[in-house]
Amino acid sequence: KNEVEQSPQNLTAQEGEFITINCSYSVGISALHWLQQHPGGGIVSLFMLSSGKKKHGRLIATINIQEKHSSLHITASHPRDSAVYICAVATDKLIFGTGTRLQVFP
Amino acid sequence: NAGVTQTPKFQVLKTGQSMTLQCAQDMNHNSMYWYRQDPGMGLRLIYYSASEGTTDKGEVPNGYNVSRLNKREFSLRLESAAPSQTSVYFCASSEGLSGDYEQYFGPGTRLTVT
Repeated sequence: KNEVEQSPQNLTAQEGEFITINCSYSVGISALHWLQQHPGGGIVSLFMLSSGKKKHGRLIATINIQEKHSSLHITASHPRDSAVYICAVATDKLIFGTGTRLQVFP
Repeated sequence: NAGVTQTPKFQVLKTGQSMTLQCAQDMNHNSMYWYRQDPGMGLRLIYYSASEGTTDKGEVPNGYNVSRLNKREFSLRLESAAPSQTSVYFCASSEGLSGDYEQYFGPGTRLTVT
């Protein structure tokens, strides 16, 4: 069983929809990262959180340490949000999930 | 600031050939990493360098060597390439070693070994 599981693996949405991507993990962690990988391949960090909730523009990340679960929400989705979203948990290193591929259509 | 740069962007090798992937960062970060990304799998750590002068094996080090040339540069060498090393390689850097630090990624190198 993978230490980091993301769901769904693939997600399609219409522009304007509210999107939720989930991440569950099975190990003790000190922090959780959400990253975005664009079709061109580049990877950027969106959030790093160890408790509660963080918001940046239309993106919101939450974490429940007791339940070992995090969610990434995108409000008012837009075609430019189309990307692979990757969850990574911090032990002594980062352990990465396999990603959720999101496509947002106009 | 260029952030993290990698060269080359693309490379095709024949089995048995050698090559070095170059990585440099201009953020004065202490720690640097090499990952590979394969379809259907998460990023996997090949080698890392906690600080200048130190390197350590990650999850999948076999077939690779690294050099932390100075604080800025961290190179990955394939001595005798194999088709199983066909992958996309990412270099990353962070201020400190633990996963509590944000990692900054380079643009990647797409390597094909035939």
